[in-house]
Amino acid sequence: ILNVEQSPQSLHVQEGDSTNFTCSFPSSNFYALHWYRWETAKSPEALFVMTLNGDEKKKGRISATLNTKEGYSYLYIKGSQPEDSATYLCASLTSYDKVIFGPGTSLSVIP
Amino acid sequence: NAGVTQTPKFQVLKTGQSMTLQCAQDMNHEYMSWYRQDPGMGLRLIHYSVGAGITDQGEVPNGYNVSRSTTEDFPLRLLSAAPSQTSVYFCASSYSAAPGHEAFFGQGTRLTVV
Repeated sequence: ILNVEQSPQSLHVQEGDSTNFTCSFPSSNFYALHWYRWETAKSPEALFVMTLNGDEKKKGRISATLNTKEGYSYLYIKGSQPEDSATYLCASLTSYDKVIFGPGTSLSVIP
Repeated sequence: NAGVTQTPKFQVLKTGQSMTLQCAQDMNHEYMSWYRQDPGMGLRLIHYSVGAGITDQGEVPNGYNVSRSTTEDFPLRLLSAAPSQTSVYFCASSYSAAPGHEAFFGQGTRLTVV
């Protein structure tokens, strides 16, 4: 993989459902993987910064895992709420000064 | 604490005009960068700086210039605007370019070139 890919492109879930998205990134020259949450009409805000293979991070109902050997990260949201509706971006750092963003996963949580 | 401030928020330019998008941060961050965001695509890196006096090209640098004379400011110059530069532009800063540091983003500048 030369680029950063995210799937699915968009997702609609019912309030209370749990969901997860995938970020695939180049596994060579890995430095870090960032997850951002981007609400409409706002700017992206960092959720997690992950640097080590096997990293697991958690913030409230949101968690993320990292597999640098195979080049993927999962973002999980437990018990989705309408306020979780946003676009979730991942970004791969392939060197200390090169950042490649994925196209994002757009999540809509239906009340 | 203002964080990252971008101006203007909206701009319409005619083809061939030049302009400067301003970006300032008050967090004493070393690393600053400019991205453009287009529909269906992720944020694409235009230029970045790892400190005052040091800049480098990102993924899509053509048609843009930057300078970093101070730690706080990182303006982006469009030399001769083209319709292909219609986009939303984001400035971001990080404590350093080291991988463990998250980026803080400005509110964005929506630019339309007609």
